[in-house]
Amino acid sequence: AQSVTQPDIHITVSEGASLELRCNYSYGATPYLFWYVQSPGQGLQLLLKYFSGDTLVQGIKGFEAEFKRSQSSFNLRKPSVHWSDAAEYFCAVGASGTGNQFYFGTGTSLTVIP
Amino acid sequence: KAGVTQTPRYLIKTRGQQVTLSCSPISGHRSVSWYQQTPGQGLQFLFEYFSETQRNKGNFPGRFSGRQFSNSRSEMNVSTLELGDSALYLCASSLGFQGETQYFGPGTRLLVL
Repeated sequence: AQSVTQPDIHITVSEGASLELRCNYSYGATPYLFWYVQSPGQGLQLLLKYFSGDTLVQGIKGFEAEFKRSQSSFNLRKPSVHWSDAAEYFCAVGASGTGNQFYFGTGTSLTVIP
Repeated sequence: KAGVTQTPRYLIKTRGQQVTLSCSPISGHRSVSWYQQTPGQGLQFLFEYFSETQRNKGNFPGRFSGRQFSNSRSEMNVSTLELGDSALYLCASSLGFQGETQYFGPGTRLLVL
């Protein structure tokens, strides 16, 4: 069965510190992978996506993610966190041939300490 | 381009009533998907429409239904509302239906009393 696991429910980092949010997936087909961010009361904004090719993908707001097939992971990173990055982050997986049914992780809530 | 729009943004209903939510996709996008987001269950896929046809359906009861119009706008309907239907309902649009990038609207917050 398809599933996405975000093992960290909540993470607190200091402003300026580096960040890594973990995402592991289980998917039978070749996955398409996404990271979205959600601010309180808002919809989801796409940060970055991986379909194929270079396993290190760059996104908006200085985020990047690395696809590691051997580890079934797609971790999100940012070298220096800003206070405005405080939000909920969701990893999602989909696949070609299965329509647009995405499976989402449960999310990681990020708190940034000044 | 304008983003995905959803109306209304907030809604309060009572148990047993029905509700209709609307979603207008990004111009040129032909696929619309609906998700339910709750604190307990997270984001769960409801259904997807492409060219006025339902392509995928999640594991929700038949009280949840949807449709898509020729201009790609979509509506979802929930009949006989239950307290557990209180949630943020998110609509997402994409160009096609092959696992493509989905762009989300701001959501409709439904409270069932």
